[in-house]
Amino acid sequence: SQLAEENSWALSVHEGESVTVNCSYKTSITALQWYRQKSGKGPAQLILIRSNEREKRNGRLRATLDTSSQSSSLSITATRCEDTAVYFCATDDSGYNKLTFGKGTVLLVSP
Amino acid sequence: ETAVFQTPNYHVTQVGNEVSFNCKQTLGHDTMYWYKQDSKKLLKIMFSYNNKQLIVNETVPRRFSPQSSDKAHLNLRIKSVEPEDSAVYLCASRQARDSSYEQYFGPGTRLTVL
Repeated sequence: SQLAEENSWALSVHEGESVTVNCSYKTSITALQWYRQKSGKGPAQLILIRSNEREKRNGRLRATLDTSSQSSSLSITATRCEDTAVYFCATDDSGYNKLTFGKGTVLLVSP
Repeated sequence: ETAVFQTPNYHVTQVGNEVSFNCKQTLGHDTMYWYKQDSKKLLKIMFSYNNKQLIVNETVPRRFSPQSSDKAHLNLRIKSVEPEDSAVYLCASRQARDSSYEQYFGPGTRLTVL
């Protein structure tokens, strides 16, 4: 089975700063997703990046994928307090329609 | 409103009791999931159903049993709960052939076992 994991347990930044969350995975993938989970809510997809893509953007978010090193990053620019959440990377085990989530990185954005 | 709905939001019970959690999705998806999220936010898939059929059954204790009446509903029953069952249980859905691979999650049910 695939294993995805973020490389930091927790990050703390001030509003307006940029931050990057990193993720590594163990086997070949079809795609990698980034999810965000705010307090009291379920995770919600932020970005999907496919194995043939190197970069994907969504507003202030930018995801990269390096299949040679089996790693991905999610960068958030001009952070806001509402970006405070847990960020997960997830890989798709397409044969079974299931996702394997990383351990998650807690991001705290303070004023 | 189209979304994934879960009830109850919270449940507190004692060791040995039976509990049931409900999940309904109005997104028209054909695949539904149950995840367990522990206190460290670790998300682990428990079960996956496609069109009412079990397709993924991770290694979970036998006291956990999913129940699907139709492709829009997937409930979770826990017979004789244990303290280690305290967690947030998240339901999710997706369309199996959707190339976005996106799963849509409900808000979760927080279970506390005393």
